Amino acid sequence: QVQLVQSGSELKKPGASVKVSCKASGYTFTSYAMNWVRQAPGQGLEWMGWINTNTGNPTYAQGFTGRFVFSLDTSVSTAYLQISSLKAEDTAVYYCADGTTWGQGTLVTVSS
Amino acid sequence: NFMLTQPHSVSESPGKTVTISCTRSSGSIASNYVQWYQQRPGSSPTTVIYEDNQRPSGVPDRFSGSIDSSSNSASLTISGLKTEDEADYYCQSYDSSNQVFGGGTKLTVL
Repeated sequence: QVQLVQSGSELKKPGASVKVSCKASGYTFTSYAMNWVRQAPGQGLEWMGWINTNTGNPTYAQGFTGRFVFSLDTSVSTAYLQISSLKAEDTAVYYCADGTTWGQGTLVTVSS
Repeated sequence: NFMLTQPHSVSESPGKTVTISCTRSSGSIASNYVQWYQQRPGSSPTTVIYEDNQRPSGVPDRFSGSIDSSSNSASLTISGLKTEDEADYYCQSYDSSNQVFGGGTKLTVL
C-alpha cells in the first residue's frame, strides 16, 4: 500500500541543522509532488511548500525561504527537508504529504 | 493570498449529522479543489475528502464533501456520528502559487 515513512524525532540546539527524510513506497515516486507541512505545538497545519519529484524544482511558501531546503533522492524514493540555523520557534512536527497520503510526522525540538 | 475560515469547534451527539464549513476569503471556491483532513489527537492527519467530494478508499461513505459557490464555501458532512469521529478537521485548497489550510475545527461527539 502507499506509504510515507519519515525519520525519527530530533533534538537539536539553537543554531544547528536538521535533515528530515520521507521515504515513499507502494507507488511510483515521481507520480506525485511532495508537500511539506509544519504543525507547531497546539497549533494548526501550515503549508511550507512542495517539490516537483520529476524535476526536483522546489517551491517555498512565504516564511519558509532561506533556512529551509527541499531535496530528493529519486533512486531511493526519498524526499528531504533540511532546516539550518535552527531557532526555538522551529520546534514542531513536520509532515510530508503527497496527493492523499501523509507521513507519520517528525518531531523536531530545538532547545539549549 | 486567500484565507480559509472554519468554525473553531462543533459538537453533536452520536448517530447525528454534523456539517463543518470552510469559507474562502477571495477567489472562487469552485476554481480549485478542496481537500479535508482528519487529525485525531496524537496522530498524523489523514485524508477524508479530496477533489471537493471524493473519498479515498477506506473512508466510510458517512463522510461527504460539497462546495457552494453562492456562499463561496466548502462543507464536510459526517452522518451517523461515532465517538471515533472526534478529531480536528482541516480544509485545504490552493491557487496558482500557494496552498492554504483552514484553521481547523474541533469536532466533539458527546
